[in-house]
Amino acid sequence: GENVEQHPSTLSVQEGDSAVIKCTYSDSASNYFPWYKQELGKRPQLIIDIRSNVGEKKDQRIAVTLNKTAKHFSLHITETQPEDSAVYFCAASRGDSSYKLIFGSGTRLLVRP
Amino acid sequence: NAGVTQTPKFQVLKTGQSMTLQCAQDMNHNSMYWYRQDPGMGLRLIYYSASEGTTDKGEVPNGYNVSRLNKREFSLRLESAAPSQTSVYFCASEGGHSYEQYFGPGTRLTVT
Repeated sequence: GENVEQHPSTLSVQEGDSAVIKCTYSDSASNYFPWYKQELGKRPQLIIDIRSNVGEKKDQRIAVTLNKTAKHFSLHITETQPEDSAVYFCAASRGDSSYKLIFGSGTRLLVRP
Repeated sequence: NAGVTQTPKFQVLKTGQSMTLQCAQDMNHNSMYWYRQDPGMGLRLIYYSASEGTTDKGEVPNGYNVSRLNKREFSLRLESAAPSQTSVYFCASEGGHSYEQYFGPGTRLTVT
C-alpha cells in the first residue's frame, strides 16, 4: 500500500546550524504535502505545507522543497534555535482526492545551545 | 473558540472493557479524523468522516467503531479493549480552504 518514509529518525544540530529532514512517498497521485511539529506532550501543529503545483515554499526560517518526479520532499530549517527542538512529521495526501494523510514516522530534532 | 477538544485526557482500562473517546470541534469543519500515535510509527489513521452522517475506514480500523453524531462531534469506541490498543489517540478536523488538519490535545490510553 501507500507509504511515506522519513529520514533521519533523530537529528542533533548546533544552535545556528541548518537542519534538513527528507521524506519519500509512493503514491504518484499525492498532491498535498504538509509538515507538522509536535513538542513533547503536545498536539501536532502544521508549520508549512506545499501543493504539487509548486517546487518550493518558504516561510521565514523554514522551507520545503518538492520533487514530484523523484517523489520526495524535504524540510529545511535555517538558523536553528533551541525552541525548534521537537518531533517533525511529514505527510502526503492519498491519491483519492480526499486529503486523507499518510504520515511519516517522525524525526526527533535536538538543537544544542 | 476552543478549536478541537477531546475527553478524557487519560484513561486506564482492563482488557475486555469498553469505552468511548469524545471529540468536538467548533470550527464548522466538514471532515474529522481519528488517529493513533505509537512510538516510532507516526500517526496512523483509524477512521475518517468526510461529513455529517458518513464514516470511512482508515489504515488501522480493527477493534474500533466511530459515530459522527453531528457536524461538531466524532466519537471513537473501543468495544473490547486489548493491550495492543495502548496508545495516544488524536482527533483532528479539517474543512477550510487550506486543507490544514487541526488536532485535539490527545487521549493517553493504557490497556492492562
